[in-house]
Amino acid sequence: GQQLNQSPQSMFIQEGEDVSMNCTSSSIFNTWLWYKQDPGEGPVLLIALYKAGELTSNGRLTAQFGITRKDSFLNISASIPSDVGIYFCAGRQTGANSKLTFGKGITLSVRP
Amino acid sequence: DAGVTQSPTHLIKTRGQQVTLRCSPISGHKSVSWYQQVLGQGPQFIFQYYEKEERGRGNFPDRFSARQFPNYSSELNVNALLLGDSALYLCASTLGGRRTDTQYFGPGTRLTVL
Repeated sequence: GQQLNQSPQSMFIQEGEDVSMNCTSSSIFNTWLWYKQDPGEGPVLLIALYKAGELTSNGRLTAQFGITRKDSFLNISASIPSDVGIYFCAGRQTGANSKLTFGKGITLSVRP
Repeated sequence: DAGVTQSPTHLIKTRGQQVTLRCSPISGHKSVSWYQQVLGQGPQFIFQYYEKEERGRGNFPDRFSARQFPNYSSELNVNALLLGDSALYLCASTLGGRRTDTQYFGPGTRLTVL
């Protein structure tokens, strides 16, 4: 099935550093979402974006909806150990259902 | 308030068997979606139900079926299990069917097919 493009597969950063992740698609999405998944749990919504160009923050997290509607990025500032996990982007296209298309995810490791 | 609950937590089946997974949405939520997450991949959309009617279906074979009950809980059924059906099955609950409605995921059911 179609998936959004996220790379690299893994990222390793030092505690206190900032990190950016981006997500791209060949298709237009009218909603972009960023989720975090911890082992043994379901994805938890971090940030939702509904308009092209929108920039939204949630604490140390900032995400933007690309103006082409084919990409989005997530920035985490001043990383802490609990930021460890898998970060997924997801997009939703125009339509009557709630179908989300996910990327493969980026595994983030934070060194103390 | 309870979040999305799924049962069972883990399940082991053999090829050719059938399995039923269960999901209870957040109280007041009327829409349930099912996703399959294979190890190392993002979730893949299987079905969405809203007010007991199928609203969307992903690219999965007819061996996969689902239904939603009057209390908005849902079941996902998979027949004639294959090794490739081994995955984490996630249920997501949404208040309604609007684009801005947040999907809240349950912890998933880990299915292993031997």
